Amino acid sequence: DAGITQSPRHKVTETGTPVTLRCHQTENHRYMYWYRQDPGHGLRLIHYSYGVKDTDKGEVSDGYSVSRSKTEDFLLTLESATSSQTSVYFCAISTSGRSNEQFFGPGTRLTVL
Amino acid sequence: GENVEQHPSTLSVQEGDSAVIKCTYSDSASNYFPWYKQELGKRPQLIIDIRSNVGEKKDQRIAVTLNKTAKHFSLHITETQPEDSAVYFCAATSGSGYSTLTFGKGTMLLVSP
Repeated sequence: DAGITQSPRHKVTETGTPVTLRCHQTENHRYMYWYRQDPGHGLRLIHYSYGVKDTDKGEVSDGYSVSRSKTEDFLLTLESATSSQTSVYFCAISTSGRSNEQFFGPGTRLTVL
Repeated sequence: GENVEQHPSTLSVQEGDSAVIKCTYSDSASNYFPWYKQELGKRPQLIIDIRSNVGEKKDQRIAVTLNKTAKHFSLHITETQPEDSAVYFCAATSGSGYSTLTFGKGTMLLVSP
């Protein structure tokens, strides 16, 4: 499982509250990604990181921010959660951005009421 | 940006039959095409991939073919078994520099005994 963990695994929150999801990896991989998965939409990239403090936006970045202050942790923050952000969130790592093989964490199921 | 179309959205076969899932992509610069299998409630798992300098790749009962001229690639599963039942996602690289993956919307494969 490429040493990837996500926390929390499940969260229920209310509209307007801030939420932070954590992705942790133990193998010093440079590249990390956050996706959301919704029925009928597959996996959509939110943000990604290509090194400490180096991040970029993906396809569906509005309403999300990320931070990577150390190699092993990539945080996804919903500043003010909305019901449209109810989803399953997956973190992924890649040993090399150019080789592109990505391996996924176990996922976080987030429900925004 | 890259656009990946995947067909069919659902596929039902009898055990022992073959299954084929097809994807098309739009970015002629794409050079890496992975396939993921996702069982219910689990993370996507990389099952096979192909790079643009190869036309076909096999791994036991699964194979992937790539036609760069037509910009399409396909997953072939032979001698299907009930444990092959899952959602399958194709993906293609997008962007330049730090390449990311764009995913298709998935195919639910059901293998009946």
